[in-house]
Amino acid sequence: AQKITQTQPGMFVQEKEAVTLDCTYDTSDPSYGLFWYKQPSSGEMIFLIYQGSYDQQNATEGRYSLNFQKARKSANLVISASQLGDSAMYFCAMREAFGNEKLTFGTGTRLTIIP
Amino acid sequence: NAGVTQTPKFQVLKTGQSMTLQCAQDMNHEYMSWYRQDPGMGLRLIHYSVGAGITDQGEVPNGYNVSRSTTEDFPLRLLSAAPSQTSVYFCASSFDTGSGASGNTIYFGEGSWLTVV
Repeated sequence: AQKITQTQPGMFVQEKEAVTLDCTYDTSDPSYGLFWYKQPSSGEMIFLIYQGSYDQQNATEGRYSLNFQKARKSANLVISASQLGDSAMYFCAMREAFGNEKLTFGTGTRLTIIP
Repeated sequence: NAGVTQTPKFQVLKTGQSMTLQCAQDMNHEYMSWYRQDPGMGLRLIHYSVGAGITDQGEVPNGYNVSRSTTEDFPLRLLSAAPSQTSVYFCASSFDTGSGASGNTIYFGEGSWLTVV
């Protein structure tokens, strides 16, 4: 069975600093995809970044990058130069690729950016 | 392009009442799903559909019913609401990567806040 673990319930980070949100996963499927979503206080789920299990390079999207260490089964989200608007819940999620679009979510990390 | 649209956004029900949460997408996605989010937890899959006429259960299906008569719509029915169904509900859609279609993004609706008293 798939499992996602986010061990940081909450984090406080000074504005403009970089922050790393941890995510480890467990799956026996060689084909899978990893997602990060942001959930602000308004409640919507905002897609941030995606990493496929066969992707050779770490995914990047603007200030977001995914530190993918396949052997360690970790997919940490790195936010560079944090901003006040980054304060939100962040969820790591995994799906089995190619025909199975079901997502398994972690419990999330609440990130608070301090001015 | 509206994306994934959920209605209603807020609803209060009495125990035993029934209701339907509506979900519609205009991206011609084959795959649609419903999740619930409870405090301190991530989203958990209730039901999903890989195309019109095809539905299946997720992790927490009890007390919910779904159907998929069109590609665009995927309603979630609460047959007899219970306080344990108080939650935030999210509908999601995506391309079916098993069909060879490209696309790595799973799109979510804005959520429906349901309270059962």
